[in-house]
Amino acid sequence: EAQVTQNPRYLITVTGKKLTVTCSQNMNHEYMSWYRQDPGLGLRQIYYSMNVEVTDKGDVPEGYKVSRKEKRNFPLILESPSPNQTSLYFCASSLASGDGYTFGSGTRLTVV
Amino acid sequence: SQQGEEDPQALSIQEGENATMNCSYKTSINNLQWYRQNSGRGLVHLILIRSNEREKHSGRLRVTLDTSKKSSSLLITASRAADTASYFCATDIFHDMRFGAGTRLTVKP
Repeated sequence: EAQVTQNPRYLITVTGKKLTVTCSQNMNHEYMSWYRQDPGLGLRQIYYSMNVEVTDKGDVPEGYKVSRKEKRNFPLILESPSPNQTSLYFCASSLASGDGYTFGSGTRLTVV
Repeated sequence: SQQGEEDPQALSIQEGENATMNCSYKTSINNLQWYRQNSGRGLVHLILIRSNEREKHSGRLRVTLDTSKKSSSLLITASRAADTASYFCATDIFHDMRFGAGTRLTVKP
């Protein structure tokens, strides 16, 4: 089944403890992206990647890192999480930039 | 910052009625897409309309695009309770996909 898989689905962590949210797609998509969703603000892009080893900042990149060492994986790294990063995170992929996205099921992160 | 803004923010209708949601945006776009999200789940792609297209259909969905007014509308005909969800427009501008805050649609049985 064609899908984008995110892990974990839920995560509660403490301020400052490094964490990684994994994202993997099995559709050989070139384009991958991370979004956060907050009430009333819609989805805001954190980082995107047009292909292996090519990443760029979105609207809200501060406090996040990404890497794209393989085409299928695009992990999101929070080096030192803070409470304002409590949010619902989505990974998405598309065949190319501008095509329709396939979204993962989301990761609900709480930083206390 | 958001590019698309949906209107209305919330819409409640009876099953069988049509639902219309609007999206306005600020700058020129490559294409505009509509997505559906069921409560806290991942977004599902519904339809993509390119900047040189004016209207597109997919099943019970009809999307229009007016680039001169920088606006789009999504019409869901003969709505069903299962259509209850949030609907988002997203504008694509050269690798930059921007989503609006969404319209919350409730379809009452």
